[in-house]
Amino acid sequence: AQKITQTQPGMFVQEKEAVTLDCTYDTSDPSYGLFWYKQPSSGEMIFLIYQGSYDQQNATEGRYSLNFQKARKSANLVISASQLGDSAMYFCAMRSNNNAGNMLTFGGGTRLMVKP
Amino acid sequence: EADIYQTPRYLVIGTGKKITLECSQTMGHDKMYWYQQDPGMELHLIHYSYGVNSTEKGDLSSESTVSRIRTEHFPLTLESARPSHTSQYLCASADGFGDSPLHFGNGTRLTVT
Repeated sequence: AQKITQTQPGMFVQEKEAVTLDCTYDTSDPSYGLFWYKQPSSGEMIFLIYQGSYDQQNATEGRYSLNFQKARKSANLVISASQLGDSAMYFCAMRSNNNAGNMLTFGGGTRLMVKP
Repeated sequence: EADIYQTPRYLVIGTGKKITLECSQTMGHDKMYWYQQDPGMELHLIHYSYGVNSTEKGDLSSESTVSRIRTEHFPLTLESARPSHTSQYLCASADGFGDSPLHFGNGTRLTVT
């Protein structure tokens, strides 16, 4: 069974500063993928970034980067130069590549609030 | 521009009514999913489909049912709505490759009174 844990229910960050959102996972599968999604108050789920378990380098997408530490089973999201529009819920999710249905298992989320 | 559409966006309905939440995607994805999410909480998979005429139950037990008669359409039905069904329902699709994200619709916020 897979499990995703996000230990920070809520976080504040000052505008223009960087922030790290924590995610740890548990799986016995050797091949898997990790995803981060943003959910604004309007409710839609916006895909941010993906990291494969065999990727040698940490993923980056614009202001988003993923600090992937495989031995520690962690996949923390780093947002650089925070903006007011970054205020939202953030969800970490995992897919096992043995999972024929390709469904994602989600963590409990972190609410990020950016202060002006 | 959304490629996966959910209607209605909001629905308030009385106990005992039958409702169908619509979900359509134009990306030709074989795999589709329904997740249930209470406000500010994690998403729970309630149904998924590998393709036409395939449906499976997810991790969270649900009294809803789904059908997949066409690739692009994956409706969810509640035969008799109850207040415990009040939640947000998110539909998603994926092209089946391991590194492909799920593409989500905007969700339906259901309130059963």
